[in-house]
Amino acid sequence: ILNVEQSPQSLHVQEGDSTNFTCSFPSSNFYALHWYRWETAKSPEALFVMTLNGDEKKKGRISATLNTKEGYSYLYIKGSQPEDSATYLCAFIGGGYQKVTFGTGTKLQVIP
Amino acid sequence: DSGVTQTPKHLITATGQRVTLRCSPRSGDLSVYWYQQSLDQGLQFLIQYYNGEERAKGNILERFSAQQFPDLHSELNLSSLELGDSALYFCASSVGGSSGNEQFFGPGTRLTVL
Repeated sequence: ILNVEQSPQSLHVQEGDSTNFTCSFPSSNFYALHWYRWETAKSPEALFVMTLNGDEKKKGRISATLNTKEGYSYLYIKGSQPEDSATYLCAFIGGGYQKVTFGTGTKLQVIP
Repeated sequence: DSGVTQTPKHLITATGQRVTLRCSPRSGDLSVYWYQQSLDQGLQFLIQYYNGEERAKGNILERFSAQQFPDLHSELNLSSLELGDSALYFCASSVGGSSGNEQFFGPGTRLTVL
């Protein structure tokens, strides 16, 4: 069983604050890491697919970095808005056979 | 709207029964993935099909099976249902066969086993 952990479990920030959270994964047999945004009562929406050590991806106010050697990825949100409130989920692909293992998610609430 | 469709939206059935969930991928996508989201276990990968062939297998029970048809739609069959199978079942699709491709999720099928 692969261990993919996300921290913190939940987070409350004020509108306009910047924030970041972590996804930790096994540092061996890495293939790819996905980040998803998952709003309540909807389905996960892809944010980033990261495949190379040192990868940095950006989409508007959201960005992500990847360190495969030490087994972690950071997701950053700059100037949080209420519409950023969601659960942010990472998914590690690796460990052979391209199995997908999800983290437990970080639930973000942005307070207006 | 991701372009991935799943039917039915809701399904209520009894223990011991068998059900079939259906997924149609986005136009042009060759891979279909099945996931289970239960309250106590989070999101779990079940199985991936690429162009009709099984590509990767996750924590799929022996009572569950899936297939992908020539028109690329996929069905997940769940048999001898137990209370613990109650969950939200998502399918996702991607262009290629690699799990490193961006995946687009359908709206899910909520299964309730009574």
